[in-house]
Amino acid sequence: GAGVSQSPSNKVTEKGKDVELRCDPISGHTALYWYRQSLGQGLEFLIYFQGNSAPDKSGLPSDRFSAERTGGSVSTLTIQRTQQEDSAVYLCASSSRPSGRETQYFGPGTRLLVL
Amino acid sequence: DAKTTQPPSMDCAEGRAANLPCNHSTISGNEYVYWYRQIHSQGPQYIIHGLKNNETNEMASLIITEDRKSSTLILPHATLRDTAVYYCIVRVALGNFNKFYFGSGTKLNVKP
Repeated sequence: GAGVSQSPSNKVTEKGKDVELRCDPISGHTALYWYRQSLGQGLEFLIYFQGNSAPDKSGLPSDRFSAERTGGSVSTLTIQRTQQEDSAVYLCASSSRPSGRETQYFGPGTRLLVL
Repeated sequence: DAKTTQPPSMDCAEGRAANLPCNHSTISGNEYVYWYRQIHSQGPQYIIHGLKNNETNEMASLIITEDRKSSTLILPHATLRDTAVYYCIVRVALGNFNKFYFGSGTKLNVKP
């Protein structure tokens, strides 16, 4: 079946503009994660959605970052007033079991470049 | 708040076993060890995970020490396509969700 998809695959924007990144999780997966990966670095947790529960936003770096998940499926990560330090690969992952033997499946990521 | 420590890079000859070490000395009793790999420009790919016992699947084996403070990922017969960054991860249960702590990873270079 289809894996996790993300769009756009690449995004170039000017400093100060807003951007929206989209994630389509695997059908039926109730858990959805957003991560950020700066060049040559590991993954930095941003936000987590599980079913209809309130999201865990503990990893969001500033109030310019927000995310929503509509209908328990597609998620959008929004970055307002982008800064150059926001340049990174933004990865989305989904899983079907948020406890026990959970396995996260990752999308290909969106490469964001803020000029 | 890195929970894992890995060497930044390793080399391995094609066809030989690749043994990738990871230290997680502060791991707690209910925290799992996961391994993912990331091939250039792709999202991370799940390899294997375990809690206490050694695990094996079609991709790799995971050896966890008895005190659980370190582990080793073994690729039994490395191929050129196994060249990637390998992440050792500690999964921490926080309420109703699991937080995955990614380290900096080990860049494995498989050479012909």
